[in-house]
Amino acid sequence: DTAVSQTPKYLVTQMGNDKSIKCEQNLGHDTMYWYKQDSKKFLKIMFSYNNKELIINETVPNRFSPKSPDKAHLNLHINSLELGDSAVYFCASSPPGAGGTEAFFGQGTRLTVV
Amino acid sequence: AQSVTQPDIHITVSEGASLELRCNYSYGATPYLFWYVQSPGQGLQLLLKYFSGDTLVQGIKGFEAEFKRSQSSFNLRKPSVHWSDAAEYFCALGYQKVTFGIGTKLQVIP
Repeated sequence: DTAVSQTPKYLVTQMGNDKSIKCEQNLGHDTMYWYKQDSKKFLKIMFSYNNKELIINETVPNRFSPKSPDKAHLNLHINSLELGDSAVYFCASSPPGAGGTEAFFGQGTRLTVV
Repeated sequence: AQSVTQPDIHITVSEGASLELRCNYSYGATPYLFWYVQSPGQGLQLLLKYFSGDTLVQGIKGFEAEFKRSQSSFNLRKPSVHWSDAAEYFCALGYQKVTFGIGTKLQVIP
């Protein structure tokens, strides 16, 4: 029973292509995220959705467009891929709560742009 | 603005030795603090978290961390390291928008 699942796990594509990464969580969480981990392992938040609504949008090129069809899914679509987009992308979710709550992470999607 | 600093990028310890990974934070209010571990090719797993209350928190896999407000620190400790603890460790801060440190890579030698 995978809590947060991402597909695909690996993605190799050419510059200029458009690709999507899918994320699903079966934890009943309201909030979902996309993080980017670069080659130096630095993790940076890209987007956050709460109940299908965008609540955090960091300084991310508009070639990246998240889509949340329902609160259990948050997909990431990337247009016109560039070499610098190569990274590991992590989806995560967290439960509702008045206090801070931890995020549960997927296994990551390693994107390689050639 | 919130920030997290992990001063040690790489630490090597012998199996059975004690471990302390450092984490300092900058935040204007009561911080929500986390430690995550990432094994090679894997996602991040939460080790422990601090929101309030007892400043010494216990986590999984025998890890603990101590919150020290006066030092703006949240260091991770383990009394005896196992070879399976070799991984990347991330300190994180925040609520909804979580800011991660750059990570500390732990190497365990026999």
